[in-house]
Amino acid sequence: DVVMTQTPPSLSVAIGQSVSISCKSSQSLVYSDGKTYLHWLLQSPGQSPKLLIYQVSNLGSGVPDRFSGTGSQKDFTLKISRVEAEDLGVYYCVQATHFPWTFGGGTKLELK
Amino acid sequence: QVQLQQSGAELAKPGSSVKISCKASGYTFTSYYISWIKQTTGQGLEYIGYINTGSGGTNYNEKFKGKATLTVDKSSSTAFMQLSSLTPDDSAVYYCEGPYWGQGTLVTVSS
Repeated sequence: DVVMTQTPPSLSVAIGQSVSISCKSSQSLVYSDGKTYLHWLLQSPGQSPKLLIYQVSNLGSGVPDRFSGTGSQKDFTLKISRVEAEDLGVYYCVQATHFPWTFGGGTKLELK
Repeated sequence: QVQLQQSGAELAKPGSSVKISCKASGYTFTSYYISWIKQTTGQGLEYIGYINTGSGGTNYNEKFKGKATLTVDKSSSTAFMQLSSLTPDDSAVYYCEGPYWGQGTLVTVSS
């Protein structure tokens, strides 16, 4: 299975600060159709995960443009500009290029 | 609105089985496959497999073959996952996922 390594495991931030989360895969995530099925999820406290970004850089429905995703092949980054209180929770990267999907270990975003 | 509504929490005894449901609304059920994901504190998020809601075809993570059985009832727009021969290691929150994630179903296996 593809191993997804996510760093850091936790982040303590102040409201208004910008942060980045890294996700590295053990294999290239480029599928045979040329697309890269690397997505980012946010699990807010007590909630189920919600899709934030799909295929590396596309914002999910209703997701503010403070969120952005970049990367290619095996190296990906989620950036949150101007963190707001509603952004707190655990962020996961997930690859859906290779079966089975595999998830990063999560990055917990907390208030400083 | 588009949503996946899962059945309620289950308390089961070791060796028994449970069947979780995931009812879709707000969209054409057969437009999305339904995936199932297990979440535990220790192992994080694990992908169980998916079902093609149109054909009923399935694909399972090797780790969950023999443990999970995925089915679908198109007439009620509902997907199901049966977990068999339960052990304490099966205690987890289980999510269905399609256009969105369901709210999760807590399964607790205890004697």
